Amino acid sequence: GAGVSQTPSNKVTEKGKYVELRCDPISGHTALYWYRQSLGQGPEFLIYFQGTGAADDSGLPNDRFFAVRPEGSVSTLKIQRTERGDSAVYLCASSPMGGKPQETQYFGPGTRLLVL
Amino acid sequence: GQQVMQIPQYQHVQEGEDFTTYCNSSTTLSNIQWYKQRPGGHPVFLIQLVKSGEVKKQKRLTFQFGEAKKNSSLHITATQTTDVGTYFCAADGDSNYQLIWGAGTKLIIKP
Repeated sequence: GAGVSQTPSNKVTEKGKYVELRCDPISGHTALYWYRQSLGQGPEFLIYFQGTGAADDSGLPNDRFFAVRPEGSVSTLKIQRTERGDSAVYLCASSPMGGKPQETQYFGPGTRLLVL
Repeated sequence: GQQVMQIPQYQHVQEGEDFTTYCNSSTTLSNIQWYKQRPGGHPVFLIQLVKSGEVKKQKRLTFQFGEAKKNSSLHITATQTTDVGTYFCAADGDSNYQLIWGAGTKLIIKP
C-alpha cells in the first residue's frame, strides 16, 4: 500500500478484556514503531522493531502490553486485561532503516481504543 | 529521563497573524524533527534539523535550531486556516531508537 495502515480504526472494549491492534507498515520499511497518544499530549514511545526483533521495548508500560512482528512486516500490539487508563490512540509508524540518526517516521491513522 | 519541553500549549491567532512554538531541552540534542498533526489526524513529518544554528524554510514556515542545540523553534508567517493543527517537536532519546516528543502546540485560528 501507499502508506501505513492500522486496523481497526476504532475499538471499544470492556475492562478486563484482551485486544489486538494491527499495523501494516510501508512495504520494505525495516523499522516499525508503536506509540500511544492521549488527548492533548504528544506520542509516547512504546516499542521499536528492527525487522522481526524488538530492538527497544522500554516504553511498554507493564507486562499487559506485548507486541510481535513475526515476519518483519505486519505488527500486532496486544493488550491483556485492559484497564480504563489504556484508552488512547495507538499510533504505528515505520521508517526505511531505523536507528540513529532518526529517519523520518511515517505514521498510520491510528487505532482509537476506548476501554469502558 | 530525557525530556523536551514545548511551549505554549495553545496559541490563538487571527488569520494572517504569525505563530511561533518553542522546544527546549536541558541536554544537547543530536537533531530535532518537527511534525504537524491535523485535528483527528496523525503526525506528519515536516522537517529535520541537524546542525547548530541551522535555519530552514518551507514557504511560510521557518525552523531554527539553536547554537547550543538545546532549543528549536517553528515560526509561521501570516497564518492560514490550513495551518490549523498541533505542531510537535521530537528529538532522539537516550536509547538508540526512541524519539522523545514535546507535548505539542495547538494552533487555533480565531473565528
